[in-house]
Formats: sequence, C-alpha cells, structure tokens
Amino acid sequence: EVQVVESGGGLVQPGGSLRLSCAASKFTFSNYWMHWVRQAPGKGLVWVSRLNSDGTTTNYADSVKGRFTISRDNAKNTLYLQMNSLRVEDTAVYYCVEGPMDSFDIWGQGTMVTVSS
Amino acid sequence: SYELTQPPSVSVSPGQTARITCSADALPNQYTYWYQQRPGQAPVLLIYKDSGRPSGVPERISASRSGTTVTLTISGVQAEDEADYYCQSTDRSGASVVFGGGTKLTVL
Repeated sequence: EVQVVESGGGLVQPGGSLRLSCAASKFTFSNYWMHWVRQAPGKGLVWVSRLNSDGTTTNYADSVKGRFTISRDNAKNTLYLQMNSLRVEDTAVYYCVEGPMDSFDIWGQGTMVTVSS
Repeated sequence: SYELTQPPSVSVSPGQTARITCSADALPNQYTYWYQQRPGQAPVLLIYKDSGRPSGVPERISASRSGTTVTLTISGVQAEDEADYYCQSTDRSGASVVFGGGTKLTVL
C-alpha cells in the first residue's frame, strides 16, 4: 500500500527548533511533488510548504516563510521540514502529503507539534 | 490574500442531498479540489480538477462549478458521510495553495 509516515513531532519551547521527517513507501518518491499541511487543534487545514520532485523548487506559506525549510532525500525516500523560531501558533498536527504540484493525493496520519513554555 | 469561503456547517437527514459551497471573490483559472476528513482521521481526496472522482469514491458524490462558486453535492446522504469537508485551490500566481475554512456535515 502506498503510504507516507511522519515522525519527529513533540513538545518544544517558543523560539526552539524541530525537524520533521516523512518516510515514503510503495511509490516512486522521486517522481512526485511533496507537501506539508498542518491543522491546529479544532481548526481547519492550512498548507505550509511544497517541494518539487528533484528538490529545486520550493514554496512556503507567508506564515512560515523564513522560519521553515522543506527538503528531501530521494535516495532515502524521505521528506523533511526544518522548523526554526517556533511560535505558539505553530502548534498543530503536521501532515506529509504526496501529490501533484497543486493538490494532495496521499496523506500521512500526521505528527503533533506542540509549542509551549 | 486569496481566500475560499465555505459555510461552517450543513445539516441534512439521511437519504437527502447535501450541497456544500465554496466561493471566492474571483476564482482563478485554477482547478478546485475537495477533501473529506472524518473525526480523528487524516483527510482524503474526494474530488480532483473540479469534478473528477478518484477510484473508490462513490458516484453519489459529485462537484460542479458555476462562476465563482464551486459546489460539492452528496446525494443519498448516509451516516458515514458525517465529516468535515474542505475545498482547495491555488492563488492566481499558482505559488500558494489555499484551503477553504471547512464545512462540518451533520447527518441528523
């Protein structure tokens, strides 16, 4: 079964850093755009960032630009999200998603990030 | 900033038809997508490129566009359809992906 599995979430203090990982399996990871989408507790979906198949094109939501960095290692079938200068409002479930450039096909189960002192 | 507006909630009785709208000041010439999120689960793609249905999505689920409004229609609503539904598109530049605020469908 095609799947993506996130890891790396946890509790971090405001101003801290965290790196999320997403392991992909059963599809040709290197052929696809990958995204991060987040969902604050009880709130809606918010797109965070995307990266093209060879890692040369990135886009970010304004709310994370300059603080978050998306990257990938196609040899390891893994997507990353480096999150720096974390804020309380970054608290959310972070989903790794495979898809075309502008939509979302395969979703992981998410990893929870809590930013709190 | 570009926004997609959905009603916060829609309620229907079993067997009836639910319609969930998604509107913007001016929908760009970009496709719209719909996702279903059941409680405690990850979202699932329901509709792609305005009206396409991925394999496994029943025919009673459809979508259409009219002007600046796109509508998700669920016919013969069942208890299992109770979920949050999100529309999604991209802004005019194509550089930013946008979700609607979500609509909670309640089956009475």
